[in-house]
Amino acid sequence: GIQVEQSPPDLILQEGANSTLRCNFSDSVNNLQWFHQNPWGQLINLFYIPSGTKQNGRLSATTVATERYSLLYISSSQTTDSGVYFCAVGPFGNEKLTFGTGTRLTIIP
Amino acid sequence: NAGVTQTPKFQVLKTGQSMTLQCAQDMNHNSMYWYRQDPGMGLRLIYYSASEGTTDKGEVPNGYNVSRLNKREFSLRLESAAPSQTSVYFCASSHPGTGTMAQYFGPGTRLLVL
Repeated sequence: GIQVEQSPPDLILQEGANSTLRCNFSDSVNNLQWFHQNPWGQLINLFYIPSGTKQNGRLSATTVATERYSLLYISSSQTTDSGVYFCAVGPFGNEKLTFGTGTRLTIIP
Repeated sequence: NAGVTQTPKFQVLKTGQSMTLQCAQDMNHNSMYWYRQDPGMGLRLIYYSASEGTTDKGEVPNGYNVSRLNKREFSLRLESAAPSQTSVYFCASSHPGTGTMAQYFGPGTRLLVL
């Protein structure tokens, strides 16, 4: 099956800093999603982005499908951005997602 | 809209007991999913249903059964619980064919098997 690798595994930043999270995957996909799991365990869908670039407020994501990676950018971090960020991918013609092990982001006031 | 709801929120079982986890969505989504999340790990797909009456195995189906009761509801059953099934269980739904395969998650069920 597809392998999904996220980096870095842990990231600690001061409030107001910017960050870039990376997701590498081992095979062609047509389904790539980014999720945020907050400290209470709730999973929130941030982006469905199999290719191209999208922006939502302080967050943006870029997927370069031909090179098998995706990036999540967080600008002007706030404490509410803390939590674990997961990348999940699915191959062509398949709705099933394979998740990475996540990047744990801690924002210090 | 409540989105995706799950019951119960917490459950403690003894080894060998059975239970059913309930999931419902009010977004008129066709596809529904059951995942488990173990400490320090990402989510792993247990079962998936593309529509009412259809189910398909995911990465870790052993020890579980599912029922897609109708378009809204998708239940997960543990027939004989084992300590290895201690985990947090998440249900999700999506609506492929509308231009996005984005999945939306419920709040989760924390299960402890003693």
